Amino acid sequence: ILNVEQSPQSLHVQEGDSTNFTCSFPSSNFYALHWYRWETAKSPEALFVMTLNGDEKKKGRISATLNTKEGYSYLYIKGSQPEDSATYLCAVLGGYNKLIFGAGTRLAVHP
Amino acid sequence: EPEVTQTPSHQVTQMGQEVILRCVPISNHLYFYWYRQILGQKVEFLVSFYNNEISEKSEIFDDQFSVERPDGSNFTLKIRSTKLEDSAMYFCAADPQGPEDGYTFGSGTRLTVV
Repeated sequence: ILNVEQSPQSLHVQEGDSTNFTCSFPSSNFYALHWYRWETAKSPEALFVMTLNGDEKKKGRISATLNTKEGYSYLYIKGSQPEDSATYLCAVLGGYNKLIFGAGTRLAVHP
Repeated sequence: EPEVTQTPSHQVTQMGQEVILRCVPISNHLYFYWYRQILGQKVEFLVSFYNNEISEKSEIFDDQFSVERPDGSNFTLKIRSTKLEDSAMYFCAADPQGPEDGYTFGSGTRLTVV
């Protein structure tokens, strides 16, 4: 059974701090990894889709890296803002295009 | 404007009642999915649907669950006889539009079974 783990479970930072969280997954039979941001009462929103070992992607102050050989991905947020407060979900693509999710990292950015 | 709209946003139902959750993908998608998140747990895959057929389903998706796309636009999840443990946030999703895109999720239906 494919198991995706995320850490930490939750994180509280001050505005302006930079932060990062981890997603771990089995390195065998890897297809793709997705990062989503999920704000309360909204749809999960896709941030990144990563497929190749060594991939680095960036969107504004948020970036992500991927290591498929050791089975982990990092998500970085530079200069956190209150609007970054959300749950960040990592998911690995399983068979028939289904996503296997981690439990998420809940980020709270305090002004 | 969201590409995937779900209704209702919140539904409370009595145990044993049937519920139908609805999803309307606005853009042109081929694959559709239902996921759910029980409070405090991971988001779980329920079922994938392609070309008016189920392509994969999880162990959770037992005989009490069914999916349909009756009119080519609405995509529904029916739970025939709800149980307390069916209480969860149910998400509809549509497949990515391109290789760099993630899945498009609806805003979810919170189902509470009492």
